[in-house]
Amino acid sequence: GEEVAQTPKHLVRGEGQKAKLYCAPIKGHSYVFWYQQVLKNEFKFLISFQNENVFDETGMPKERFSAKCLPNSPCSLEIQATKLEDSAVYFCASSQSSYKDNYGYTFGSGTRLTVV
Amino acid sequence: GQQVMQIPQYQHVQEGEDFTTYCNSSTTLSNIQWYKQRPGGHPVFLIQLVKSGEVKKQKRLTFQFGEAKKNSSLHITATQTTDVGTYFCAGSPTSGTYKYIFGTGTRLKVLA
Repeated sequence: GEEVAQTPKHLVRGEGQKAKLYCAPIKGHSYVFWYQQVLKNEFKFLISFQNENVFDETGMPKERFSAKCLPNSPCSLEIQATKLEDSAVYFCASSQSSYKDNYGYTFGSGTRLTVV
Repeated sequence: GQQVMQIPQYQHVQEGEDFTTYCNSSTTLSNIQWYKQRPGGHPVFLIQLVKSGEVKKQKRLTFQFGEAKKNSSLHITATQTTDVGTYFCAGSPTSGTYKYIFGTGTRLKVLA
């Protein structure tokens, strides 16, 4: 189907625990993006991939966040040792290769991470 | 770092009234996109603007990209209750990076 599938929908972790989020982009989309949306609606760019290669990781807090997009597997975003401020909705999006066409991101429904 | 601001932050309108949200970037953009996010939902792509001064229409929605490619606007004519949601602009600072900086969003409520 033509949707970006994110799992799980909700995730609750105790402070210091690990959290792993998954994203299956639309087949044929070359680019995958992860964004973090906090309560005030602000979207923070985390990382992007072009196929399985990291394209831009300027938004990643590298000490605790890591991400992968391996062939034939869902992409993943992992947070080691979660902190309270990591509580947010994490959106994955994918897009076709050409920004010049009228294609935007197709977002998944998000994973709501709550750190307690 | 680059910022993309939107005003107003919130807007309540009576059904049938018009609505406009404005998007301003601190730097020149390669292109700009607009998204709508319903409460509890995910952003849905509406449109992309690339050319300086470009104007595009989708039914009751009119999108503009400024001449300097640093600002944009979305205007909705005769709002309906289905227009409720938060409207985000997202600007790409550099062509080919596919990285978009999202605006702060404008939350629209439509009163029936």
